[in-house]
Amino acid sequence: QVQLVESGGGLVKPGGSLRVSCAASGFIISDFYMTWVRQGPGKGLECISYMSNTGNTIHYIDSVKGRFTISRDNAKNSLYLEMNSLRVEDTAVYYCARGSSGPARWYYGMDVWGQGTTVTVAS
Amino acid sequence: SFELSQPPSVSVSPGQTANITCSADNLGRKNVCWYQQKSGQSPVLVIFQDTRRPSGIPERFSGSNSGNTATLTISETQAIDEADYFCQGWDATTEAFGGGTKLTVL
Repeated sequence: QVQLVESGGGLVKPGGSLRVSCAASGFIISDFYMTWVRQGPGKGLECISYMSNTGNTIHYIDSVKGRFTISRDNAKNSLYLEMNSLRVEDTAVYYCARGSSGPARWYYGMDVWGQGTTVTVAS
Repeated sequence: SFELSQPPSVSVSPGQTANITCSADNLGRKNVCWYQQKSGQSPVLVIFQDTRRPSGIPERFSGSNSGNTATLTISETQAIDEADYFCQGWDATTEAFGGGTKLTVL
């Protein structure tokens, strides 16, 4: 069964750090573009970071660049997002999602999503 | 970067056709996907490559993309289609999500 399961969310103070994880099953994450998408309370979707299947292409949106780091562990078939210098505006549900296998990252859309993990940044 | 505009809400009667639009300059030159998100759930892909449906998505869902506007059309709308719908536009160098449209089936 193709599945993504996120974990690691929680409550953290502004300026703090957190690492969220995404465990994949039923497919190999290094065969696909993988992305982290967040959704603030009552807000829309925002693709904040993605990694290509080869690992050679990594992208961040400007608001998280220098603070967040995407990585993966092929042996554990897992994707990670290390978040540092967290801000109140980073409060959101964080989803990992599967993209395409190949050079066009969303050629088949984001076709598999996890259930999300909630990150709350508050003092 | 670019921004995608969606109407905040659309209402439709059961059995009727719902059209949800997504607009940006020259959006027809980009690829568009559509995602359905029911309350408290994760998004689900319903359209990719402007017009294609993933397996398991009912034929009632269709998409188009031309000029400055992409449209998600839901024919014979059912109560179970009530959800938020987000468009995503992308090309080789950039991407964006629309702000989402809440579809209400009255």
